[in-house]
This record gives sequence, structure tokens and C-alpha cells, in this order.
Amino acid sequence: DAGITQSPRHKVTETGTPVTLRCHQTENHRYMYWYRQDPGHGLRLIHYSYGVKDTDKGEVSDGYSVSRSKTEDFLLTLESATSSQTSVYFCASGLAGGQETQYFGPGTRLLVL
Amino acid sequence: GENVEQHPSTLSVQEGDSAVIKCTYSDSASNYFPWYKQELGKRPQLIIDIRSNVGEKKDQRIAVTLNKTAKHFSLHITETQPEDSAVYFCAASPPRDYKLSFGAGTTVTVRA
Repeated sequence: DAGITQSPRHKVTETGTPVTLRCHQTENHRYMYWYRQDPGHGLRLIHYSYGVKDTDKGEVSDGYSVSRSKTEDFLLTLESATSSQTSVYFCASGLAGGQETQYFGPGTRLLVL
Repeated sequence: GENVEQHPSTLSVQEGDSAVIKCTYSDSASNYFPWYKQELGKRPQLIIDIRSNVGEKKDQRIAVTLNKTAKHFSLHITETQPEDSAVYFCAASPPRDYKLSFGAGTTVTVRA
């Protein structure tokens, strides 16, 4: 599974609290991504990174921020969690951006009460 | 940006029959078209991809076709088996784009 892990795998939190999800890859991939998956919506891109400290917004970035201080780690922060952010979050990484395989992590199931 | 539409959203087939999933894309510059399979509770994984310089690609029981003129591409699964039951996502990307644009997914159920 291309050496990509996510932590935590499950999390329950309360509305208004900050939450940070971590993605770690050991493949030295330049590109990393955060998606959320909800029924009927497929995989929606939240943020992505094209290098250390280089990030950009995806289609559903409101309420989320990211940081990438090392090649192997990409953090997703929900600044103040809301119930609408209850979802399954997948990170992914790849060598060549949109032109090659993206390898997905196992996912984090987040429940915001 | 690129917009990918995928149909149908659900597909039920009898074991042994074929399944076809179709996707259309909006950006005529797109040149990379991967397909991902996600089994229940698992992560999405690439099963096959095609580039714009090729019209068809096969890998055992799966094949993908690309029609650049019509801006659509399709996944064909022949002789379906229970293990083909999953959600399938198509995606597209133009050159020099850092990201993929995914379709909404097709849930395939293979009936025994």
C-alpha cells in the first residue's frame, strides 16, 4: 500500500473543537492530497501539496487548513469542527501530480457531535 | 477546471455478465484517465489507466476505451465475479495539473 498511513483512524469530537489529522508517507512522493468522501459525492479534494511548504486549495477547502513541513508528512486541520465535517478523510500521495497513480491511505473516520 | 461526470451511479449485474461504466470530461486538454476501485471499507486503488495517445487498454477482464472527440471514456468488466463488487471511480487530468478530477463513483453489485 505504498507506505502511506493516517492517524488517527477513528475520531469522535465535539462541535467547535480543533482537530488535526496526519498523513505520513515513506515513498518520497512530492505530491500529497487530502480528500473527503461522503455518500453521493465521491472523492472531493480539500487541499493538496506540490512540495514542502507548497499547498493549494481544492474544491471544498472552507473550514480546513493544511501544513507540510516535511516531504513525508501532510497535516489537515479542522479549525473549528462542525457536524457537516463528519466524513471519511483520505490522504493520498504520488510522484507526478495528476499524471500518475495516486496512492491512498487507509482513511480516517471522523464524527463531529 | 476539469469536470468529470460518471454514469450510472449504481449498477447491478448477474455474475458472469459484463459491466460498463461511462465517464465524460469537460477539458479537451485532459490526457490522463485512471480508474480506481474501492472495496467496502477499504481505500481506493488504481486498477487501470489510459493516456490520450491510446484508444483502448486491456488488463485481463477489465478494459478501458477512450473517445477524445466525444470526450468520454468507459470501463468494461467482462465475466463479472463477486469480487468485482465495489465502488469504481473514474478521473481525468490535463497536462501540468497537479491534481485529478474524480467522478462521483459507481457502486457495482455482482449478483450470484
